[in-house]
Amino acid sequence: ELKVEQNPLFLSMQEGKNYTIYCNYSTTSDRLYWYRQDPGKSLESLFVLLSNGAVKQEGRLMASLDTKARLSTLHITAAVHDLSATYFCAVQETSGSRLTFGEGTQLTVNP
Amino acid sequence: GAVVSQHPSWVICKSGTSVKIECRSLDFQATTMFWYRQFPKQSLMLMATSNEGSKATYEQGVEKDKFLINHASLTLSTLTVTSAHPEDSSFYICSAARLVEMYAGELFFGEGSRLTVL
Repeated sequence: ELKVEQNPLFLSMQEGKNYTIYCNYSTTSDRLYWYRQDPGKSLESLFVLLSNGAVKQEGRLMASLDTKARLSTLHITAAVHDLSATYFCAVQETSGSRLTFGEGTQLTVNP
Repeated sequence: GAVVSQHPSWVICKSGTSVKIECRSLDFQATTMFWYRQFPKQSLMLMATSNEGSKATYEQGVEKDKFLINHASLTLSTLTVTSAHPEDSSFYICSAARLVEMYAGELFFGEGSRLTVL
């Protein structure tokens, strides 16, 4: 059974600071996704990571994937209040399309 | 990007009644759709995988007779919560798979449907 663990689960940080969210998974996988969820809303796709060593950046967020370590990171640079949300990583099994989600990281960026 | 639409976005019903939620892929054909449930402050939990023209595959612990799934066309899957009770109150999210390559497709999520059972 594929397990996906995120760390930390809750994160409160000041504007302007940097931080990294970690996503570990238990079996080999082809794809890893990062999503953002605002309260009461569905998921917003942030990144799709397809191969070992993949790195993608969008604004203040950068995601990377190490398939050998079964680890993905989501790095936040110079956080701003608008980044406050819950972030989920999700791993797609090699045998199909189903996703297994991590527990989520609730991020609060304080002014 | 591809669009997946859910309807209704918000529903309140009485205990014992049934509620139907629709999930439509608006601009692509989806042979596979997934139904997730999310309780407050928790992650998404996969309930079932819906395949067009065949029976849905339910995850362990999900009652197939309570959560009826119908995937009658390549653009529509429905989830019916039968005899709903307050513990069924949750945020239900569907996703649809667009086959881009041979074995796996990119997934697109609907806006979610919030069910409150009184």
